[in-house]
Amino acid sequence: QSVLTQPPSASGTPGQRVTISCSGSSSNIGSNTVNWYQQLPGTAPKLLISSTNQRPSGFPDRFSGSKSGTSASLAISGLQSEDEADYYCVAWDDSLNGWVFGGGTKLTVL
Amino acid sequence: EVQLVQSGAEVKKPGESLKISCKGSGYSFASYWIAWVRQMPGKGLEWMGIIYPGDSDTKYSPSFQGQVTISADKSISAAYLQWSSLKASDTAMYYCATNVFGPFDPWGQGTLVTVSS
Repeated sequence: QSVLTQPPSASGTPGQRVTISCSGSSSNIGSNTVNWYQQLPGTAPKLLISSTNQRPSGFPDRFSGSKSGTSASLAISGLQSEDEADYYCVAWDDSLNGWVFGGGTKLTVL
Repeated sequence: EVQLVQSGAEVKKPGESLKISCKGSGYSFASYWIAWVRQMPGKGLEWMGIIYPGDSDTKYSPSFQGQVTISADKSISAAYLQWSSLKASDTAMYYCATNVFGPFDPWGQGTLVTVSS
C-alpha cells in the first residue's frame, strides 16, 4: 500500500486533456513540493515535473502540475499516443523522514 | 554528460549474497545524493534509501532497513546496494538515481536481479 494514492489507470483519446491525481497527507504533500515521473515501457523513469509545477526542458508545455492542500495533480493536454506511459508522484515525508511514492497510474491513449 | 551506469543483470539462488553498483560520471559525484529504487515485476516504484557519497550519510526506508546495505566509494564515483542473503521476493529491477538536475534526475538504466532456485 503506497503512502501516496494514485488511480491505477487513466485514459483519453488523442487531443483530449487528462488529469491524474495524487493524494497524500499533511506530512508529505501538505508540507512539501511534489514531483512527477514518466516511465515509458521498458525504460527508466524520467523527471517530468519538479517542485509541484516546474517542467524540465525536455518535456513540452502540454504537461503541467498543481497542488492544493494534501493533493496534487498532473494535467496532460493535447494528448498524444507517445504519452502512453506510467506516471508516478513523489514527495518527501517529514514524519517518515524519507521519500514516498504513489502507486503509479497507467495512462492509455485510446 | 551527466550519467549513471549500473552493473549488469544478475541471476542468483536464494541465500546467496549480491552487491550491485551504480557509477556516476560527468559531475561531482560526492556532492549529490544517490537513491536506490526498487520495481518488482509489473509493480510500481519503491524508495529504498539514499546515501550522500561525500560523507556516506545514509537513510533507509523503514521497509528496507535491515534488509539491504547501501554504501558508496567516492574515490571511484560508485554507489552500491547489497544483500547478504537473497530471497525470491528480491527479484526486481533496481534503479539508482541522483539529484543533479532535480529530485531523482537523472536515473541509471536499471539492474535486473533474478533470484530463483
